[in-house]
Amino acid sequence: GAVVSQHPSWVICKSGTSVKIECRSLDFQATTMFWYRQFPKQSLMLMATSNEGSKATYEQGVEKDKFLINHASLTLSTLTVTSAHPEDSSFYICSARALDRQNSPLHFGNGTRLTVT
Amino acid sequence: EDQVTQSPEALRLQEGESSSLNCSYTVSGLRGLFWYRQDPGKGPEFLFTLYSAGEEKEKERLKATLTKKESFLHITAPKPEDSATYLCAVQAYSGAGSYQLTFGKGTKLSVIP
Repeated sequence: GAVVSQHPSWVICKSGTSVKIECRSLDFQATTMFWYRQFPKQSLMLMATSNEGSKATYEQGVEKDKFLINHASLTLSTLTVTSAHPEDSSFYICSARALDRQNSPLHFGNGTRLTVT
Repeated sequence: EDQVTQSPEALRLQEGESSSLNCSYTVSGLRGLFWYRQDPGKGPEFLFTLYSAGEEKEKERLKATLTKKESFLHITAPKPEDSATYLCAVQAYSGAGSYQLTFGKGTKLSVIP
């Protein structure tokens, strides 16, 4: 149980274009999903918290106009990297809690490797 | 500021050679310490949650323990398929009904046949 599916697993795009990443909870509903970014040999850094039916909450230093988040349903959140630049190249991972309890573990998708050329 | 430090950064073991990974943390109001396994190019896979000092959890060759300042992930008689990066994360109450999860940088474990 508690499967989180992320798509695509990798994407290559040209500088200036936009890329959309989908995150789905397959066997549970998630009112909240989380988007992380991970650089090589670095820890996971929380970018934003996606809330179903309301605006996302962004961490300090994360541009909300660049990283658009939409949480349209209880099983789907999307992250759109707008006007991507090479420095946006990274590993993006989404996560969600299977139970609506703050101290239950996060379950992660398999990540999306974004390369901006 | 909550901090999580994992050591060593990398660890090479011979198959069958038991060892431990360390996760030291400083946090106000711990609401759970989590261990994850991450394979290259994949998202983290949940292993354990520990909530209070003295608590232990086991799963196959892995055993996690928790004190007030650190957690250990003991690996007994590891096999090559245990090779992965092991991540530690602590969760603390950050106010206004929300919780903050802070990850360490991980320990990359390589088990040599």
